[in-house]
Amino acid sequence: GESVGLHLPTLSVQEGDNSIINCAYSNSASDYFIWYKQESGKGPQFIIDIRSNMDKRQGQRVTVLLNKTVKHLSLQIAATQPGDSAVYFCAETPRNNNAGNMLTFGGGTRLMVKP
Amino acid sequence: EAGVTQSPTHLIKTRGQQVTLRCSPISGHTSVYWYQQALGLGLQFLLWYDEGEERNRGNFPPRFSGRQFPNYSSELNVNALELEDSALYLCASSLAILAGDTGELFFGEGSRLTVL
Repeated sequence: GESVGLHLPTLSVQEGDNSIINCAYSNSASDYFIWYKQESGKGPQFIIDIRSNMDKRQGQRVTVLLNKTVKHLSLQIAATQPGDSAVYFCAETPRNNNAGNMLTFGGGTRLMVKP
Repeated sequence: EAGVTQSPTHLIKTRGQQVTLRCSPISGHTSVYWYQQALGLGLQFLLWYDEGEERNRGNFPPRFSGRQFPNYSSELNVNALELEDSALYLCASSLAILAGDTGELFFGEGSRLTVL
């Protein structure tokens, strides 16, 4: 498959361990945040989202934490599996009439899961 | 239900040529977004179309343009191709702003453009 990004920060974890991927965002007006997963040669896939009126949201094996004070977002993956290997992007949007649902993406982190 | 579809999946052009990329949104979605993802970089916003109108554009030169058709499908046109235009071009669709419970963008698999 094709590489999504050759110079991305890389997080390498052992299968079964928990993974934490961090993201700093810049727009204090952002109201809605999403984590996407992008596998090699594919388009980004939605993982989990969170609104600015929340600080934590849990999904299946994933948790997103939002700290608006320092404009920081994190994605926690429990019991990381080889299928979790991908590039992970955080994205933000103010969701107003000028931006619509236009997302501004972070630079991405490559997660590599060692068997 | 079909997801966002894009065509072509891969194409090779030479400098100075023109290219048209196509996108069909998820049925019921009226907004289409185009992003450029160059190798080693994140996703850069190009264009947003809703109800046939261009609503916003990113920091790209005018040779990047597009349109949205009455059936909400969209085209991205790039004129006078340059080497640095080589990238994966991603199309995403969503419901109209504030409709539905989420602002999630649903992405297609992209069109990989190589400019030689």
